[in-house]
Amino acid sequence: KQEVTQIPAALSVPEGENLVLNCSFTDSAIYNLQWFRQDPGKGLTSLLLIQSSQREQTSGRLNASLDKSSGRSTLYIAASQPGDSATYLCAVIDNQGGKLIFGQGTELSVKP
Amino acid sequence: GAGVSQSPSNKVTEKGKDVELRCDPISGHTALYWYRQSLGQGLEFLIYFQGNSAPDKSGLPSDRFSAERTGGSVSTLTIQRTQQEDSAVYLCASSLDRGGYIQYFGAGTRLSVL
Repeated sequence: KQEVTQIPAALSVPEGENLVLNCSFTDSAIYNLQWFRQDPGKGLTSLLLIQSSQREQTSGRLNASLDKSSGRSTLYIAASQPGDSATYLCAVIDNQGGKLIFGQGTELSVKP
Repeated sequence: GAGVSQSPSNKVTEKGKDVELRCDPISGHTALYWYRQSLGQGLEFLIYFQGNSAPDKSGLPSDRFSAERTGGSVSTLTIQRTQQEDSAVYLCASSLDRGGYIQYFGAGTRLSVL
């Protein structure tokens, strides 16, 4: 059974710092991996999607990497801003290509 | 529509009552998913629909939960004889197709069972 783990559970950093969020999964037979952002009381916003054949994806200040063989992904946020404060969720789709399996999330707080 | 729409945004009900939650996916998206987010369990998959295929119901927690998707568009999640442990945020998502496509989420329905 696929399990997704995110470390750390919470992170507080001063504005301007670069930071890395970690995600690991137990079964490397994944179809793709998605990173999401969730603001309090809101739904999920997709940040990046990495196909299983890809190594990384970039969008603005965000860069996500995928090492399928070791079951790991990282989300790198450059020059963090208070507006980046949210919960970041990692999720994988298995080779059946359907449902997302989520980690518990990392709650990020960026202090001005 | 512009995004995934869910209604109601909040629902308060009494234990034992039935509730219906609605999801209107992005136009043209063939795949539709229901997830549940609760404090103790995080985000968990419930059910998904793909075109005319039989739905994947493997995540439904009990036979009190059911869902349908009419005409390949709007979906309704029904919870019968609600229990307090059903209290959660129910999220709907849609994607262009199953597999390698981004899933777009609605804002969710917050269900509170008293």
